[in-house]
Amino acid sequence: GQQVMQIPQYQHVQEGEDFTTYCNSSTTLSNIQWYKQRPGGHPVFLIQLVKSGEVKKQKRLTFQFGEAKKNSSLHITATQTTDVGTYFCAGHGDDKIIFGKGTRLHILP
Amino acid sequence: DSGVTQTPKHLITATGQRVTLRCSPRSGDLSVYWYQQSLDQGLQFLIQYYNGEERAKGNILERFSAQQFPDLHSELNLSSLELGDSALYFCASSVLGTGNTEAFFGQGTRLTVV
Repeated sequence: GQQVMQIPQYQHVQEGEDFTTYCNSSTTLSNIQWYKQRPGGHPVFLIQLVKSGEVKKQKRLTFQFGEAKKNSSLHITATQTTDVGTYFCAGHGDDKIIFGKGTRLHILP
Repeated sequence: DSGVTQTPKHLITATGQRVTLRCSPRSGDLSVYWYQQSLDQGLQFLIQYYNGEERAKGNILERFSAQQFPDLHSELNLSSLELGDSALYFCASSVLGTGNTEAFFGQGTRLTVV
């Protein structure tokens, strides 16, 4: 069945360093969404990518959707303590929504 | 506040029992999704309803069932509970049923089976 793999599972970075999480689908997606879940909180929508090769930016966050619409990445520049949390990608295809297992980001002061 | 309300927030029950989790979507949202999040696990998609009808099914066990009522609120029924069913259950809602709009998540119901 359709799978969405997300790596890495955990990432520890020093405050100020960059961070990237990657999402790969076994099938072509109609779109991909990214969510952030703070510790003890619920997932909150960040962005949706629809077009092949699409790149979107939100301040220090850059999101990319692969040309084949099977992979995506989220890059955070100069991480801050407020970036702590788990970042999930969610792939939409064939009437199914598949979340990756998430990347848990820890920021070291 | 996402506008999605889930009750109860916490639930402790014994194995073999049955529970019902409730979700009220955001005003105007027609689609409701249910997810299960176990410790250190991602979000497992269970089921989606759109305007009262089942739209998509994920890895939902046969012991679990859900429905969406005419007023658009939804209930997730979990029966013959096992220890492994202990998890955080999230409900999310969105305007459309196609997955092309963002989903707003509730605060979740933490279920503990003892």
